[in-house]
Amino acid sequence: KQEVTQIPAALSVPEGENLVLNCSFTDSAIYNLQWFRQDPGKGLTSLLLIQSSQREQTSGRLNASLDKSSGRSTLYIAASQPGDSATYLCAVPSPSKLIFGQGTTLQVKP
Amino acid sequence: EAGVAQSPRYKIIEKRQSVAFWCNPISGHATLYWYQQILGQGPKLLIQFQNNGVVDDSQLPKDRFSAERLKGVDSTLKIQPAKLEDSAVYLCASSITGGTEAFFGQGTRLTVV
Repeated sequence: KQEVTQIPAALSVPEGENLVLNCSFTDSAIYNLQWFRQDPGKGLTSLLLIQSSQREQTSGRLNASLDKSSGRSTLYIAASQPGDSATYLCAVPSPSKLIFGQGTTLQVKP
Repeated sequence: EAGVAQSPRYKIIEKRQSVAFWCNPISGHATLYWYQQILGQGPKLLIQFQNNGVVDDSQLPKDRFSAERLKGVDSTLKIQPAKLEDSAVYLCASSITGGTEAFFGQGTRLTVV
């Protein structure tokens, strides 16, 4: 049974700092991994999708990496801004439904 | 391209009442998901459709929850009767097919009092 864990549950950083969010999964037989952003009271916005054949994917200040063998993915946010404050969720399909981590709630202080 | 549409955005009901949520997926997406997200937790799958067939409803409380996607396009999720613990955000998502990139709607925040 696939399980997804995100550490830390919450993170507070000053504006401008580079940061890393972690996601781990128990079954490495995945064919992709998706990172989402969720603002309070809102739905999920897809940030990045990494296929199993890829090692990383980039979008603007965001970079997501995937290491299937170790069951880990990281989301790197460069030069954080207050507008980045939100909850970040990772999810993997198992087999076709998405299994989510609990999320990391990020606060970027001006 | 239009995204996943959900309505209503908010709903407050008393326990034991019934409620229905509606979802219109992205055009051409065969897979539709309903997720329940309790405050502070990650979303949990309630039901997954492929076209108008159910792929997975193993975590749907079938004594009170029902869902349908009759024409393989839009879907409704119903709760009858509601309990206090049903207070959550109900998220609808769609993808081209199961396991591919999923896109979510804005969600419906349900409060049961």
